Amino acid sequence: EAGVTQSPTHLIKTRGQQATLRCSPISGHTSVYWYQQALGLGLQFLLWYDEGEERNRGNFPPRFSGRQFPNYSSELNVNALELEDSALYLCASNLEGTGWIADTQYFGPGTRLTVL
Amino acid sequence: QQQVKQSPQSLIVQKGGISIINCAYENTAFDYFPWYQQFPGKGPALLIAIRPDVSEKKEGRFTISFNKSAKQFSLHIMDSQPGDSATYFCAASMSYEAAGNKLTFGGGTRVLVKP
Repeated sequence: EAGVTQSPTHLIKTRGQQATLRCSPISGHTSVYWYQQALGLGLQFLLWYDEGEERNRGNFPPRFSGRQFPNYSSELNVNALELEDSALYLCASNLEGTGWIADTQYFGPGTRLTVL
Repeated sequence: QQQVKQSPQSLIVQKGGISIINCAYENTAFDYFPWYQQFPGKGPALLIAIRPDVSEKKEGRFTISFNKSAKQFSLHIMDSQPGDSATYFCAASMSYEAAGNKLTFGGGTRVLVKP
């Protein structure tokens, strides 16, 4: 069974540009989470999508946005890039619902975004 | 209320030794506590997880100890091996209905196992 996949692996942008990161969840998973892993700041929750809707967002400005497509894949967009947006962006997926199965999130390998 | 504090930041242990990583949380609404292992250049991988209704869970060489009254939990890696050298993250989440299982992570512990 294929795991969570993310593309691209690396992305280099300059300040003020826009970045688009993509995630495909594990087959059958309907929820997608985005996390930012910046140097020295650990893993921070960004966004949660479920059944095509944004359900929750972390403490990030509105220039971080995204969407979830009918096939449950997801896209993270970061507008007006700033130097401090340089980080590893991780996508995770899980099954919707309650209990151990729904609690377990599986992570992709991440997209390394570098803002120059 | 949402923080999870993890210690130590780094740890060096000899092969065959025990690695112990501790985490503390504030929010009593948390009801799921996983540990993730991350190797350089890779995403975090679930190692083991526990709910507050048990005080200990063991899977192979990895054991979680959970103290609900102290709001603390820890990871013990027994018989540590060089292949265990990685960064370990504790995390916590609330129920799906409350917050959709979003994970709040500790700051991470870099473990180095010396041969």
